[in-house]
This record gives sequence, structure tokens and C-alpha cells, in this order.
Amino acid sequence: EAGVVQSPRYKIIEKKQPVAFWCNPISGHNTLYWYLQNLGQGPELLIRYENEEAVDDSQLPKDRFSAERLKGVDSTLKIQPAELGDSAVYLCASSFSAFTDTQYFGPGTRLTVL
Amino acid sequence: RKEVEQDPGPFNVPEGATVAFNCTYSNSASQSFFWYRQDCRKEPKLLMSVYSSGNEDGRFTAQLNRASQYISLLIRDSKLSDSATYLCVVRGPSLDTGRRALTFGSGTRLQVQP
Repeated sequence: EAGVVQSPRYKIIEKKQPVAFWCNPISGHNTLYWYLQNLGQGPELLIRYENEEAVDDSQLPKDRFSAERLKGVDSTLKIQPAELGDSAVYLCASSFSAFTDTQYFGPGTRLTVL
Repeated sequence: RKEVEQDPGPFNVPEGATVAFNCTYSNSASQSFFWYRQDCRKEPKLLMSVYSSGNEDGRFTAQLNRASQYISLLIRDSKLSDSATYLCVVRGPSLDTGRRALTFGSGTRLQVQP
């Protein structure tokens, strides 16, 4: 069975440019998560979706970050405009349900903002 | 204070050694506990859940002390392939947001040497 797919794997942009990341969760997983991981730190939750509904976006910096999961499957995370401090790995994860099931992570997108 | 605290290491041990990692969590309302493994430049993967009675999976033993809010992971007979970062993970209401989520420690890096 295919795991969580993310693209691109790497992205280098200049500050103030927009950037978007794409995630395709494991088939049948209703819950999708976006995490940010800085070097030497654990992943930090940005947003959690239950199907197409964002049920926890309390840690998403809404001035520049946005996310969508229009049909309850694929999701995109966007940053506009990017800042130097946004350089990090952006991980997508999915699980069958939110509270009882294992989260499976994708390989991540490594963003470098110059 | 971080919600989940770990010694960052690195722990450098010879093959065959026994090594133990510790983790403390600050939210007494935390409900579930896990160890994830993350290889260099890869995504986190679930290693094992941690149960109150303690549990073992091959060379790996996890223990939980709810009274002390302390979790441990013991690796016996270390292999070169055990070299990775081990993330302590707690599920429950976040102290920051009040919402149920996974909270990750910063990880403990293990390097097993030949």
C-alpha cells in the first residue's frame, strides 16, 4: 500500500515569494495533519483536518499560511509571502481517525528561504 | 518549559551495548504515549506505544510512570541500524491549545558505533 505522498521534496525560494506544498494521504485516512519541523526539534502541528474540515488550526500563522483540503483527500499548504524563518521541513501525516490511530508521515518537503 | 522534554544526546555507544532514553512530560492529563524513530533526513515512524504496565518488542522495552510523568525506552544489544533520533511523543490535550494532539519531544540522537 502506498504511503503518504508529498511534493515537492525540496524547494528553494527567495524571501517574499509564495510557495505551496502538496500532500496525498494514505487511502481511506480521514484525518490529515500538517507539521513543521525545525532542525533539532520535533514536529509541531500546524493544522489538522477531519475530512475536509479544518478542526484544529490554532497553531497556523494565518497572516501568511493557508491550507485547504477541498475534497477531503489531497491537501495543499501555502505560504505567502515566505520569510527567512520559514525554512524548515514541512511534514504531512494521515491517520484513519484522529485520536486512536497511528499517524503515518510523508517524507516531507524541505523548504529553504534565501 | 517544554511540554515534552528529552535529553538531546548524542548518545554514542558501541555495538552490543544497552542504552536507555528518558523523557518527561508536563501535562498530567496526557492519555497516550509513544516512541517514534526518525532516521536522518527521513520522516518519523512509530517505534512502539508505551503502556502503563510496561511493554517489550524484541530488544526494545518501554516503560511509563504516570505518577512521575516519566517515560523511558531501553534498547538492548544495540545494532548499527539503531542509529537514529528517538522522539518521545505524548497524546492528550495540549497545554498551549487545549486541543487533543500529539506533542513531540525534540528527540534523543543515538549513534551506535562498530
